[in-house]
Amino acid sequence: AQSVAQPEDQVNVAEGNPLTVKCTYSVSGNPYLFWYVQYPNRGLQFLLKYITGDNLVKGSYGFEAEFNKSQTSFHLKKPSALVSDSALYFCAVRDSLNSGNTPLVFGKGTRLSVIA
Amino acid sequence: DAMVIQNPRYQVTQFGKPVTLSCSQTLNHNVMYWYQQKSSQAPKLLFHYYDKDFNNEADTPDNFQSRRPNTSFCFLDIRSPGLGDAAMYLCATSREMATIPLAGGQETQYFGPGTRLLVL
Repeated sequence: AQSVAQPEDQVNVAEGNPLTVKCTYSVSGNPYLFWYVQYPNRGLQFLLKYITGDNLVKGSYGFEAEFNKSQTSFHLKKPSALVSDSALYFCAVRDSLNSGNTPLVFGKGTRLSVIA
Repeated sequence: DAMVIQNPRYQVTQFGKPVTLSCSQTLNHNVMYWYQQKSSQAPKLLFHYYDKDFNNEADTPDNFQSRRPNTSFCFLDIRSPGLGDAAMYLCATSREMATIPLAGGQETQYFGPGTRLLVL
């Protein structure tokens, strides 16, 4: 069975400081990992994904995430936070051993607040 | 350039009065999903269509039904909405190719803006 955990409900960071939103996962095979962002009253927007290859994945809006197999983590990072980054962030996973149309499993979300 | 479109964005219905939410996509994707999302929670998958094949999640109430008349459109029908069904409903699509089932797991899901349902 596949699962994903976001250990922090809320992350607060000052504008201009680096930010990290944590995600850990559990799969039987290899993980396919995704990050989405949700602004108030909006749908989820895709940020980035890890499938294979380079452990550091770069995505939209200056975000990046680092895949760490030994720690089963896929933390989302940004070098310099903006107030406009304030939103709800979801990590999601699929197990490579599952069939291709198996839906994503989402974490419970982390609310990021960037303070000016 | 909207790729996944949901109408309406806000829907108000009465307790017990059937309601239909719609989703359309311009991506020609094989798979369409419906999620329910309550305040500040993760989206909860209700069901999905792989082409015309309907896949219901085990814990989706019978009150929720879906139709996919063609590739582009998918509908969520709530037969008798209760107060607990007030939520944001998200539609999503992904490309997944039947000929490469494991590779399909790599495909990104693209979400619509959601429909917020209010039950009075």
